[in-house]
Amino acid sequence: DVKVTQSSRYLVKRTGEKVFLECVQDMDHENMFWYRQDPGLGLRLIYFSYDVKMKEKGDIPEGYSVSREKKERFSLILESASTNQTSMYLCATGEVTYEQYFGPGTRLTVT
Amino acid sequence: EDQVTQSPEALRLQEGESSSLNCSYTVSGLRGLFWYRQDPGKGPEFLFTLYSAGEEKEKERLKATLTKKESFLHITAPKPEDSATYLCAVQGGSEKLVFGKGTKLTVNP
Repeated sequence: DVKVTQSSRYLVKRTGEKVFLECVQDMDHENMFWYRQDPGLGLRLIYFSYDVKMKEKGDIPEGYSVSREKKERFSLILESASTNQTSMYLCATGEVTYEQYFGPGTRLTVT
Repeated sequence: EDQVTQSPEALRLQEGESSSLNCSYTVSGLRGLFWYRQDPGKGPEFLFTLYSAGEEKEKERLKATLTKKESFLHITAPKPEDSATYLCAVQGGSEKLVFGKGTKLTVNP
């Protein structure tokens, strides 16, 4: 079975803090993705990476950055957290034209 | 621009009452259509991939079908444990998936 793990299930941070969300996969997949999910808006793609040290902007990259130093690890960084970044963050992994597998999610609250 | 619309937004069924969820899509060059199940507070769980019109996939009480414009997720004799939000996504010409907003299914005992 594919295993995708995320560093925290719940996280509470203060406005202006730098926040790191980490995702690790064990399937040797080339592609990794970061989404956020909000009620009424569905899943929205923030960034994705199709190879080590490669990254592409998704639909809503503003206020976020990413890092992929190793194939199995993909980090999402909030440089200066704001209250409108309170959300459920989901990491996924997969290959082109195949299904994506999701991690359990991180519920981030920014106060 | 690729788009996915799911209907209804919410569906309540009695246990054993069969029904279907709809996923309408517009995409330039469909490479795959994906169905996921999501339980509250958890990440989506992969169910099916469909690649071409006419294709069907089954898993327990679920059956997914695909035409050139839409996909259906048929639920036969549902049980309360089938209650979840069901998400549909399409992949067109890029590595990105485009998701619908989901159908929240509630099955009452």
